[in-house]
Amino acid sequence: GENVEQHPSTLSVQEGDSAVIKCTYSDSASNYFPWYKQELGKRPQLIIDIRSNVGEKKDQRIAVTLNKTAKHFSLHITETQPEDSAVYFCAASKVGVRGSTLGRLYFGRGTQLTVWP
Amino acid sequence: SAVISQKPSRDICQRGTSLTIQCQVDSQVTMMFWYRQQPGQSLTLIATANQGSEATYESGFVIDKFPISRPNLTFSTLTVSNMSPEDSSIYLCSVIRDTSYEQYFGPGTRLTVT
Repeated sequence: GENVEQHPSTLSVQEGDSAVIKCTYSDSASNYFPWYKQELGKRPQLIIDIRSNVGEKKDQRIAVTLNKTAKHFSLHITETQPEDSAVYFCAASKVGVRGSTLGRLYFGRGTQLTVWP
Repeated sequence: SAVISQKPSRDICQRGTSLTIQCQVDSQVTMMFWYRQQPGQSLTLIATANQGSEATYESGFVIDKFPISRPNLTFSTLTVSNMSPEDSSIYLCSVIRDTSYEQYFGPGTRLTVT
């Protein structure tokens, strides 16, 4: 099966700085990579995703990059704010791949991001 | 996205008893999943809830312990049977619509077993 590694496990930054979280995956057939933000006591929220036919995707202050050759993808948050403090999870999935369960997500272990004011 | 609700939001149960958790979606979805999230941990997939047929369980999870029903395209239940303190966790359902890769989570059910 798929194995998703996520680093770092904790990340502290000053407000206004950038934060980068990195994930690697093992199965070259994976083709969909979402990122979730989970605030304390809340459900995971999908914040951005990328498909394997795209190298980068941006949405305001967040961006995700994908390197298929190296099998890694990263979340970039610029101009961080205290409200960005949360646990972030990366995941990988095989969509439309024969024999795979549609939507079956393999999650990383999570990164606790703390943004200090 | 989808509007997903879960009942109950939390419960405290005695060991040896069972609890059924409900997941309701505001419109038809293709896929429904059940996850477990222990404190400070990542999400672990329990099973895929299949409409009209038996759920597909992940390694380490069995139907006798976690029976799942999905009678239609908007509703599913997960039962945690013969509970022990090790079952204390947050249980979340998630859904995917037919036209999207995107997976959305319910608010979760916080279960404490004493």
